Amino acid sequence: EIVLTQSPATLSLSPGERATLSCRASQSVSSYLAWYQHKPGQAPRLLIYDASNRATGIPGRFSGSGSGTDFTLTISSLEPEDYALYYCQQRSNWPPTFGQGTKVEMK
Amino acid sequence: EVQLVESGGGLVQPGGSLTLSCAASGFTFSSYAMTWVRQAPGKGLEWVSAIGSSGSSTYYADSVKGRFTLTRDNSKNTLHLQMNSLRAEDTAVYFCVKDDGTGPAGEFDYWGQGTLVTVSS
Repeated sequence: EIVLTQSPATLSLSPGERATLSCRASQSVSSYLAWYQHKPGQAPRLLIYDASNRATGIPGRFSGSGSGTDFTLTISSLEPEDYALYYCQQRSNWPPTFGQGTKVEMK
Repeated sequence: EVQLVESGGGLVQPGGSLTLSCAASGFTFSSYAMTWVRQAPGKGLEWVSAIGSSGSSTYYADSVKGRFTLTRDNSKNTLHLQMNSLRAEDTAVYFCVKDDGTGPAGEFDYWGQGTLVTVSS
């Protein structure tokens, strides 16, 4: 199965700063990569699908890029509600797999 | 508004059984595949099982194959995960997830809040 490696494990940033999260796949997943936001006790929320498409209702400060094995989630200017765990997930090969997550915490 | 509400979690002894349910609303349940994803304490997300929109096709992670059975009742908009021969490593929060397609495609557009399963003596 495809292994997704996310970096960094933790990102410490202040509100208003730019967040750049990375996800690397062990083999090409084409553009079949999604990003999710997860806050404790809440349902995970789909942010980005197929590498660069924002899901319904997701603010424009979230953007995704990449293809093949290297992907990036960018939050252009952090809002207080953006501090959370972020996971990438591939659906190119069955079974779908997730990265181990990046925690965005307030500095 | 899409809603997925899980139930049925709890404490069970190793070797025991438990059935999780997911009540879906806000979309045409019979038109979409559904999935369970779990998260063990302190760990990441792990895909567990998926079922096609009609219920005729099911898929399982190797870690649960032969022990878990996924079914759906399209007349009642509900999903059921029968878990047998439970092990300590099955301890996790289990999320019910809607797939954005009729066949499982791994496009997880809506998630429930999860239900906790604890396997311990």
